[in-house]
Amino acid sequence: EDQVTQSPEALRLQEGESSSLNCSYTVSGLRGLFWYRQDPGKGPEFLFTLYSAGEEKEKERLKATLTKKESFLHITAPKPEDSATYLCAVQAFGFQGGSEKLVFGKGTKLTVNP
Amino acid sequence: DGGITQSPKYLFRKEGQNVTLSCEQNLNHDAMYWYRQDPGQGLRLIYYSQIVNDFQKGDIAEGYSVSREKKESFPLTVTSAQKNPTAFYLCASSSQGRAGGYEQYFGPGTRLTVT
Repeated sequence: EDQVTQSPEALRLQEGESSSLNCSYTVSGLRGLFWYRQDPGKGPEFLFTLYSAGEEKEKERLKATLTKKESFLHITAPKPEDSATYLCAVQAFGFQGGSEKLVFGKGTKLTVNP
Repeated sequence: DGGITQSPKYLFRKEGQNVTLSCEQNLNHDAMYWYRQDPGQGLRLIYYSQIVNDFQKGDIAEGYSVSREKKESFPLTVTSAQKNPTAFYLCASSSQGRAGGYEQYFGPGTRLTVT
């Protein structure tokens, strides 16, 4: 069964304290790995898509990387406005029920204190 | 502005009543999805549609129904058969990105409370 596990469940940082969030996945043939940001009471906001091991994407203070078994979301010098829940999802080739299906992890809730 | 709209933002219903959640997109996406989000759980797929007049069950379709009569619209009905309908419901649509991956974009969500 295809699975996505995110760790830690929650992370508290001081402003400027860099860290990383982890997304481990088990999938039969990765089509893509996706990162989203979700603020309380709102829909997830798309951040990045990664397709192959070794690929990296950056956006402001966020950098996503991908290996064959996991992805990291690195947050450099975070600010309080980076506080949110970060979701990871994978899409596999040949998922039963449709090739576009995403399997989501439970998310990491990030709090950045000023 | 292109995007996905969901209405209403908050919805309250009594047990035993059916309720329909609206989802509209003007992104010209072919595929649309409905997810349910509960505290401490990942998003779970209810139904999806890859083309007008066609849709498939996701992982937790029991107690839900959908229709896809127009490309822009994908309404979800929560029926009285759904045992635990109180949740945050998210609609998404997708386009094909590079290398064949389908990037999904989400609406703002509808919080349904059934008492």
